[in-house]
Amino acid sequence: EAAVTQSPRSKVAVTGGKVTLSCHQTNNHDYMYWYRQDTGHGLRLIHYSYVADSTEKGDIPDGYKASRPSQENFSLILELASLSQTAVYFCASKTGGEQYFGPGTRLTVL
Amino acid sequence: GQQVQQSPASLVLQEGENAELQCNFSTSLNSMQWFYQRPGGSLVSLFYNPSGTKHSGRLTSTTVIKERRSSLHISSSQTTDSGTYLCALGTGNYKYVFGAGTRLKVIA
Repeated sequence: EAAVTQSPRSKVAVTGGKVTLSCHQTNNHDYMYWYRQDTGHGLRLIHYSYVADSTEKGDIPDGYKASRPSQENFSLILELASLSQTAVYFCASKTGGEQYFGPGTRLTVL
Repeated sequence: GQQVQQSPASLVLQEGENAELQCNFSTSLNSMQWFYQRPGGSLVSLFYNPSGTKHSGRLTSTTVIKERRSSLHISSSQTTDSGTYLCALGTGNYKYVFGAGTRLKVIA
């Protein structure tokens, strides 16, 4: 069954440290997305990619980098984690107009 | 202003009652998708519905493009329907904008 997986599922990081969140899809989809969700809010788009080795900025890219080394893998990188980046992060892939989501990664920055 | 607005923000139902959740958008639509977010946080796709009406069990989604709205109707609610319902608007540049969600609680 086609799937989007994320790792780790939860992480505690220290302020100023580097954090890498990973996403893997077996959907064979071209588009992949990274979102963050803050408590009690909807999802906001951070970065997306439509082809390997290329990424695009979403609506809230500041403080985040993205990497798409292959069609299956899409990473979100926080070079200098900050308290304000505590959130749940979701990865998704897309075919046509329909998105398929991973289970999310809960990130706590202390 | 906000491109996607969901209403109501929260809703409490007695089991068996019906609910109508609304998603209004201020920009052009390429796609519309409804999600159920479990209390634990995972997202379940309910409908991909860019236009017209779709049914799935007790759920019905209706999107009317010219009126810039989409709705999710839940009939005969159950306690297991409790959670957050999110709509996501796909714009023409392969980006998506989510509403803030409707938090539903169904009590027995």
